[in-house]
Amino acid sequence: EAGVTQSPTHLIKTRGQQATLRCSPISGHTSVYWYQQALGLGLQFLLWYDEGEERNRGNFPPRFSGRQFPNYSSELNVNALELEDSALYLCASSLTGAANYGYTFGSGTRLTVV
Amino acid sequence: GEDVEQSLFLSVREGDSSVINCTYTDSSSTYLYWYKQEPGAGLQLLTYIFSNMDMKQDQRLTVLLNKKDKHLSLRIADTQTGDSAIYFCAAYMDSNYQLIWGAGTKLIIKP
Repeated sequence: EAGVTQSPTHLIKTRGQQATLRCSPISGHTSVYWYQQALGLGLQFLLWYDEGEERNRGNFPPRFSGRQFPNYSSELNVNALELEDSALYLCASSLTGAANYGYTFGSGTRLTVV
Repeated sequence: GEDVEQSLFLSVREGDSSVINCTYTDSSSTYLYWYKQEPGAGLQLLTYIFSNMDMKQDQRLTVLLNKKDKHLSLRIADTQTGDSAIYFCAAYMDSNYQLIWGAGTKLIIKP
């Protein structure tokens, strides 16, 4: 069974541009979570999508947005990129409410803003 | 709000046992997890414990849960260089199906 896949692996953008990151969850998982992990910092929760709806949002500005598609894959968009947006962006998926499985993470997209 | 706390660093000698500690505030958390993150990689679920258990053992890993004190620990026996990583503790919130994460403990192995 394929795990959570994220693309691209690395992304280099210029300040002010837009970045789009993609995530495909494990087959059958309906929830997708996005996290930002800046260098030396822990996980900062960005967004949670479930069944196509945004269920919860972390303390990030509106230029961080996303969506979930009917096949449960998800996209994270970051507009008007700033240097401090440089980070590892992690996507995770789960069965909604299936706590005993926890989250399964992808390997992440390393976004560098120059 | 709910919180999970961990110390940021732990240094141990190769071959010794490592004990990584975590405290959480949500007494209703039904599941508690340990994840491992190797450099440049995503997070890997190591183990989890259900809140009605005191201990869970899986090969070199032992998880201890003190529900009264809301304290969770992960013991790694015979620590090896491959255990060098950041270890995250997380608590499941039944109210909104989400995990609350600790900041991660970086395990440093000395030869």
